Amino acid sequence: EAGVVQSPRYKIIEKKQPVAFWCNPISGHNTLYWYRQNLGQGPELLIRYENEEAVDDSQLPKDRFSAERLKGVDSTLKIQPAELGDSAVYLCASSGNGRPYFGPGTRLLVL
Amino acid sequence: QQQVKQSPQSLIVQKGGISIINCAYENTAFDYFPWYQQFPGKGPALLIAIRPDVSEKKEGRFTISFNKSAKQFSLHIMDSQPGDSATYFCAASTAGGTSYGKLTFGQGTILTVHP
Repeated sequence: EAGVVQSPRYKIIEKKQPVAFWCNPISGHNTLYWYRQNLGQGPELLIRYENEEAVDDSQLPKDRFSAERLKGVDSTLKIQPAELGDSAVYLCASSGNGRPYFGPGTRLLVL
Repeated sequence: QQQVKQSPQSLIVQKGGISIINCAYENTAFDYFPWYQQFPGKGPALLIAIRPDVSEKKEGRFTISFNKSAKQFSLHIMDSQPGDSATYFCAASTAGGTSYGKLTFGQGTILTVHP
């Protein structure tokens, strides 16, 4: 069974530029999560989707972050404009009716 | 009230020794307590998890001890091996419905096992 796929794996951008991350969850998983992991810290939940509906986005900085999950499968997380403090690993996870499975993450460096 | 506090930040043990990592939580609504293992460049992977209706769960060399009254739980790695060297995270969530994955993570413990 293929795991959660994320791309790109690494991204380096200058501040104020836009950036987007893509996630393909495990087939059949209705729940999708985006987490942010700062260096030396545990992951923090940004947003949770049930199918195509965002059911928990209280931790998403909505002034610059947006996310979508069209058709309830793949998801995209966007930052516009990026700030230096956005440098982190962005993890996508998916679950069926139980525990989540994490992807390898996208490591973002904002210069 | 959502915090999960983890200690120590780093841990060095010799091969064959016992590694112990501790976590404490505040939110009494939490009822699912997993431990994740993360290698560099990889996402966290579930190692073992426990529900509060039991005080201990063992899977191979890994054991979770759970103290509901103290709101603490710990991971014990017996016969630690160099391949166990990784970052370990405790986490907590409410297991009802689809909330399994709405995890609150600890700060992480970097484990180094010397051969």
